[in-house]
Amino acid sequence: DAGVIQSPRHEVTEMGQEVTLRCKPISGHNSLFWYRQTMMRGLELLIYFNNNVPIDDSGMPEDRFSAKMPNASFSTLKIQPSEPRDSAVYFCASSLSRGELFFGSGTQLSVL
Amino acid sequence: GENVEQHPSTLSVQEGDSAVIKCTYSDSASNYFPWYKQELGKGPQLIIDIRSNVGEKKDQRIAVTLNKTAKHFSLHITETQPEDSAVYFCAANKAAGNKLTFGGGTRVLVKP
Repeated sequence: DAGVIQSPRHEVTEMGQEVTLRCKPISGHNSLFWYRQTMMRGLELLIYFNNNVPIDDSGMPEDRFSAKMPNASFSTLKIQPSEPRDSAVYFCASSLSRGELFFGSGTQLSVL
Repeated sequence: GENVEQHPSTLSVQEGDSAVIKCTYSDSASNYFPWYKQELGKGPQLIIDIRSNVGEKKDQRIAVTLNKTAKHFSLHITETQPEDSAVYFCAANKAAGNKLTFGGGTRVLVKP
């Protein structure tokens, strides 16, 4: 298996623009997690899905952030409108039945 | 919610020496404690984990100890090698893979 696949690897955008991050979990995994990593706040859980259903989105910073999982093999994290403070590395991770978390390589987001 | 503190934030050791990273957690109900290694430009990767019914676990050069009474757990790396240089994260939760709370990370540098 290729592991968790995230795209794009790098995204540079201007403040106010819409940003969409994409994730393909490992085939057969039933849980998917979106994390944000910054120097100041470390690794923060934004939202996680179980069997494509959002279970806990209490970590989503504000209404500008939204996440979807239309099927078992795809998820998106959208920021609209983006702000400079959203600059961070965003990780997607998947797991099977609350087992080990497998992380993707992340998307480095820079909002100018 | 759970709060995980990790120390030190940086650690420099000579090749061949041991490295120890310590974490404390706040929620006495937590029973799953994984450790992740993050190399530059990559996502975190699980290296070892321990559950609350075990006091110590070893895997080659790495070992983890858990003291549930004191609510702290530690990672021990023996005979360090340059490839051990990375950022290490501890985490805690009530169930594996479900809403892990991460420590702030320890940047380990192994000097040849």
